[in-house]
Formats: sequence, structure tokens, C-alpha cells
Amino acid sequence: DVKVTQSSRYLVKRTGEKVFLECVQDMDHENMFWYRQDPGLGLRLIYFSYDVKMKEKGDIPEGYSVSREKKERFSLILESASTNQTSMYLCASSLAGSASGANVLTFGAGSRLTVL
Amino acid sequence: GQNIDQPTEMTATEGAIVQINCTYQTSGFNGLFWYQQHAGEAPTFLSYNVLDGLEEKGRFSSFLSRSKGYSYLLLKELQMKDSASYLCAVRDSNYQLIWGAGTKLIIKP
Repeated sequence: DVKVTQSSRYLVKRTGEKVFLECVQDMDHENMFWYRQDPGLGLRLIYFSYDVKMKEKGDIPEGYSVSREKKERFSLILESASTNQTSMYLCASSLAGSASGANVLTFGAGSRLTVL
Repeated sequence: GQNIDQPTEMTATEGAIVQINCTYQTSGFNGLFWYQQHAGEAPTFLSYNVLDGLEEKGRFSSFLSRSKGYSYLLLKELQMKDSASYLCAVRDSNYQLIWGAGTKLIIKP
């Protein structure tokens, strides 16, 4: 069964701490994405990557960075966590190829981060 | 700005039919997606529409009207396991996904 695995389901951190959220996919997908999901809002794209070592800013990159050293792994980093980064973080992956096709996203189960 | 609207919450009865609407205003259109998300779980893909009309997939169907900026997801023969949030997303002219806030569907016996 194809999978996107997020290493931590629940994390509690203090303001100012550095936070790493790890995401691994076993589908040999080229594209990987980090979203945050907040009540009453649609998914918001933080960063994405279409290839190893490559990254692009999404709609809300401020306060975040990412790393993609290997094709299967995409990490989200909060350099100095703040309370407004308390949220559910979803990682997703998809195949490369024609953007005019369905190009379905496969999501991980999410990492719920609380910053105190 | 870009906007996707869907009802926040709907309630339906087991065995019945429910229609979840999604209206959109985006910069261009390159397809519309529906995902299902059970509480505490990953969103999973349900359907994709890029041309006008109805796409049927078992108990679930999705309809698109590009001229009206409108889609709906139709769920038939509702089961308790259909209780979930349903997310509508549109791919814009830059091939970026714009997401609605989701519709929480509650199924009652």
C-alpha cells in the first residue's frame, strides 16, 4: 500500500524552539508539498518541491524552511516556533508529468503541532 | 482574489442522498478535485473534473459547470462511514491548487 509517512503525529513545543517535521514517501514521487490546515480555512501551501535539492515558496512560507536532500524525504523546519504556528501540518506527494492530468495528491496523516 | 465556497456543515440520514456544493472564483481553471478526509486522517482523492458534466464512480458522482463556476459532489445510499469532511479544490491558471475550507458531513442513523 502506497504511503506518505509523517514521523510525528503530535508535538508540543515551546515558543522559540526549532521544530523539524519529517515526511517520507515510498512511491518514487517527484513532487512533494507541505500544507497547513486550520479550522475554517482551506489548506494553505507552505512550500513545495519538484525535485531533489529544489524548493519553491508556496502561499505562506514566512517562518518556515524546507529541505529535500533525498527524493523520498521532505522536511519542514520551523526555525523559531511561535504560537501562531500551532496547526495541523500535512505533507503530500504526487507524480511529475502533465499538470493537465489529474496529478492526484497522496497525503500523510498529518502532524499536529502545538506551540506554547 | 481567488475563492472557493462550500457549506461548513451538512447533516443527512443513513441510506439517503446528499449533494455538497462548491462554487469557485479563480484565476483560470485547470481542473477541480474532491477529497474526503475522515477526522484525524489524511485526505484521500475522490474525483477529478476538467470538462463539464457528470463523473460517476460507484456511490459517488461529481458534476462540473465551468461557465457557472460550480461543482457538486453527490453521495448516494449514505453509510455511516461517509461521515467525514469533503474538500473541494480548484487548479488555477498557474496549476496551483486553491482549496475550500471543507464541508463536514454528519450522517445520522
